[in-house]
Amino acid sequence: GQNIDQPTEMTATEGAIVQINCTYQTSGFNGLFWYQQHAGEAPTFLSYNVLDGLEEKGRFSSFLSRSKGYSYLLLKELQMKDSASYLCAVSHNYGQNFVFGPGTRLSVLP
Amino acid sequence: EAQVTQNPRYLITVTGKKLTVTCSQNMNHEYMSWYRQDPGLGLRQIYYSMNVEVTDKGDVPEGYKVSRKEKRNFPLILESPSPNQTSLYFCASSLYAGPRGEAFFGQGTRLTVV
Repeated sequence: GQNIDQPTEMTATEGAIVQINCTYQTSGFNGLFWYQQHAGEAPTFLSYNVLDGLEEKGRFSSFLSRSKGYSYLLLKELQMKDSASYLCAVSHNYGQNFVFGPGTRLSVLP
Repeated sequence: EAQVTQNPRYLITVTGKKLTVTCSQNMNHEYMSWYRQDPGLGLRQIYYSMNVEVTDKGDVPEGYKVSRKEKRNFPLILESPSPNQTSLYFCASSLYAGPRGEAFFGQGTRLTVV
């Protein structure tokens, strides 16, 4: 089966850098996605990784190591509006299925 | 405006009364899917569809049905709802499944079955 792990909660200070880790075990891996979800709202896409390495997108970067089944999302220059849940999701079964991790709730403090 | 529209946003119903949650996308996406989100369990895929008339089970399909008669619509049907189906439901679509398949989510439907 598929299994995705993320820390349940994290806290960081405004202006700081935070790294949210995600580990996964799956068959037919096809890509790894990160989504942001504010309370009561729909998830919104942040980034995806298909190959190993770092993908940078403004204040957000995502890293993937397929051999280790590991990814992280790096958020720089944290802002209060970054307080949200961050969902790691794996596309597997050759792209037919998405499996989401339980999400990491990030609180940004002033 | 590109969007995924779900209706209704909120629904309270009684056990056993059939209901349908509609989902429509205007982006000509091939891939559509339904998820439920429960505290501590995250988003779990119920059903997905690779294209018109092509649907398949996700991780938690029991008690649900779907259909994909047109590309834009993907309704979720609960033939006989039970209290354990009380949840927050999301419909999502993407241009295609797999890499670069960024998913766009609807606003969510909060369902309560009493």
